[in-house]
Amino acid sequence: DAKTTQPPSMDCAEGRAANLPCNHSTISGNEYVYWYRQIHSQGPQYIIHGLKNNETNEMASLIITEDRKSSTLILPHATLRDTAVYYCIVRGLSGYALNFGKGTSLLVTP
Amino acid sequence: AAGVIQSPRHLIKEKRETATLKCYPIPRHDTVYWYQQGPGQDPQFLISFYEKMQSDKGSIPDRFSAQQFSDYHSELNMSSLELGDSALYFCASSLLSRDYKGTYEQYFGPGTRLTVT
Repeated sequence: DAKTTQPPSMDCAEGRAANLPCNHSTISGNEYVYWYRQIHSQGPQYIIHGLKNNETNEMASLIITEDRKSSTLILPHATLRDTAVYYCIVRGLSGYALNFGKGTSLLVTP
Repeated sequence: AAGVIQSPRHLIKEKRETATLKCYPIPRHDTVYWYQQGPGQDPQFLISFYEKMQSDKGSIPDRFSAQQFSDYHSELNMSSLELGDSALYFCASSLLSRDYKGTYEQYFGPGTRLTVT
């Protein structure tokens, strides 16, 4: 699996958009970008994934650059409950295990 | 909607004892994964099973073993427990049927907190 790089921590004001970047310069053509998050000591939660097109669901949007070497997870209106560690994971679309890297600790403040 | 069930939620054992953690996947899910998360660390993959056969292996110690049963539930057996085994153990399930056109995301349980004293 391709290696990913994320900032260790970020802050965001409640109600504002949270933009979480991820670098994955060694991503291969058949690998997807997945995002999971872990709220303190709870089981990780799937957020969204994409291959090369931008994706949106009820939780977030995923913007992938044209060269696919980086992506940004966007939480459009962050709430206090979005405070969590966010993991960007690159892997094939299959049953492979998730390789959790260091992730970004997002703190949403009032 | 039904979620992944793990039992027990908390377990306290002494060094050199054994422990068994159980995982009940979401109904119809055919794949189970086990992850270990030490204090202040990120989750690390241990082992996975697809249709009752081991499908992938990560950093699982030789003292640990696991299996998936005919009803798709899974058990993680841990022997000769060490202080360093104290961690959160997560089970996740997924549906990987060949006919499934989904996203293969993994759904995680609430975890079992194991404390070894």
